[in-house]
Amino acid sequence: DTEVTQTPKHLVMGMTNKKSLKCEQHMGHRAMYWYKQKAKKPPELMFVYSYEKLSINESVPSRFSPECPNSSLLNLHLHALQPEDSALYLCASSQALGGNEQFFGPGTRLTVL
Amino acid sequence: QKEVEQNSGPLSVPEGAIASLNCTYSDRVSQSFFWYRQYSGKSPELIMSIYSNGDKEDGRFTAQLNKASQYVSLLIRDSQPSDSATYLCAVNINQAGTALIFGKGTTLSVSS
Repeated sequence: DTEVTQTPKHLVMGMTNKKSLKCEQHMGHRAMYWYKQKAKKPPELMFVYSYEKLSINESVPSRFSPECPNSSLLNLHLHALQPEDSALYLCASSQALGGNEQFFGPGTRLTVL
Repeated sequence: QKEVEQNSGPLSVPEGAIASLNCTYSDRVSQSFFWYRQYSGKSPELIMSIYSNGDKEDGRFTAQLNKASQYVSLLIRDSQPSDSATYLCAVNINQAGTALIFGKGTTLSVSS
């Protein structure tokens, strides 16, 4: 199984809502990532987890809260988002840190009203 | 500021031709280099990784790396209309390899 899965595929939420994005991989990878991608822009790194511990937080606002319950799962909790947070949210995984290949999930298309 | 630079395109080639995509990076300690293909509305798909100077071939794709010139390229032979997509160059920006920085991507259009 060489797949990273993400749910939901699409999410529409209001600025006062709380929602969560989920990511799962069964490749035995120990590093997982959240990226944000706006239209016609490259992915931008948000968070990196290595062995279930937060390794990098790229100065992301606190309205985004990551969680890694186990080595296969990665969540992104969303609260009090702004319309400018609307984007494609991508999860990726790699065998480990240190320059390994990263494989992306299909993404969640988020719209904040 | 560590950067990855690509021509945004569009790069237009006829079907059957060779498409050449280029990328330069600013951080001399970078060790890992990747090419991703992204179709409109989809997520990036890894097509090539390269770690050593020289060429690496996989089917119709060849990645070329020159660390002295801080340059990595992707050649697509026998281009097909299905190759029409945005190609993202990505570089690990430090020796620990903890962060992947993407170029802005080159849009390739292959006409039949």
